[in-house]
Amino acid sequence: LAKTTQPISMDSYEGQEVNITCSHNNIATNDYITWYQQFPSQGPRFIIQGYKTKVTNEVASLFIPADRKSSTLSLPRVSLSDTAVYYCLVVGGAGSYQLTFGKGTKLSVIP
Amino acid sequence: EAGVTQSPTHLIKTRGQQATLRCSPISGHTSVYWYQQALGLGLQFLLWYDEGEERNRGNFPPRFSGRQFPNYSSELNVNALELEDSALYLCASSLGGERNTEAFFGQGTRLTVV
Repeated sequence: LAKTTQPISMDSYEGQEVNITCSHNNIATNDYITWYQQFPSQGPRFIIQGYKTKVTNEVASLFIPADRKSSTLSLPRVSLSDTAVYYCLVVGGAGSYQLTFGKGTKLSVIP
Repeated sequence: EAGVTQSPTHLIKTRGQQATLRCSPISGHTSVYWYQQALGLGLQFLLWYDEGEERNRGNFPPRFSGRQFPNYSSELNVNALELEDSALYLCASSLGGERNTEAFFGQGTRLTVV
C-alpha cells in the first residue's frame, strides 16, 4: 500500500483558495488518488478522485503531475464550514482496494 | 436510498465485557470496512470484508473480530474490553470487488468502556 504524507495542519482566511499537497512517492501504476473530508464525530465523506492531470467537481479540484508522486487538493474560496480534516488516500492497484487513512490535514478556516 | 447504517449509536460497556457493533451497507455494496477512531486521532484500519470473506485486517489484537453475512451486513465483535477501546467505530461500504469506487461511511458507534 502506497504511503501518503501531508501537512498536519493549515490555517486559511475565509474566501481564500486553499491548496493541500500530498506526497505518495511509491504510488503504483493502477493506483488512484482519493480525498476525503471529515467533520468532528462524523464519518469521512468522499470529495474527489483522480488518476492523472486535473479533475474538477462542484466542490474541489485535484491536480496530479505527470510523475503522479504528489497531488494537490484545491478548495476555492473556503468558508467556515470547510473547517475539517482532509485525508489523502492512494487506492487500488495490485488488486487491493483497501482504504488506509493517514493522519490527514486539519484545515482551520478563520473569519 | 438509505445510506450506511450502524447500530447502536452509543454503547457503554464495563471493562472485560464483550461488545457487538453492527453495520448495514448500502444496497448493492459488497465491501465493508471497519475503522477505530479514538478521540482526536486518525482512523485506524480494523477489518475489510468483501463478498463474505475477510480480505485484510489491521494491526489489532485477536479480540477484535468480525464477520460479513450473506446479505453483506457486518458485525464487529470486541472481546475482553479494555478502557483504551473507547472510541468511535466507523463502518464504510463500497461496491467492492475489483472496482475502485468511493466508500460511504456510517455515522459510527460511540463505544465507551468504563
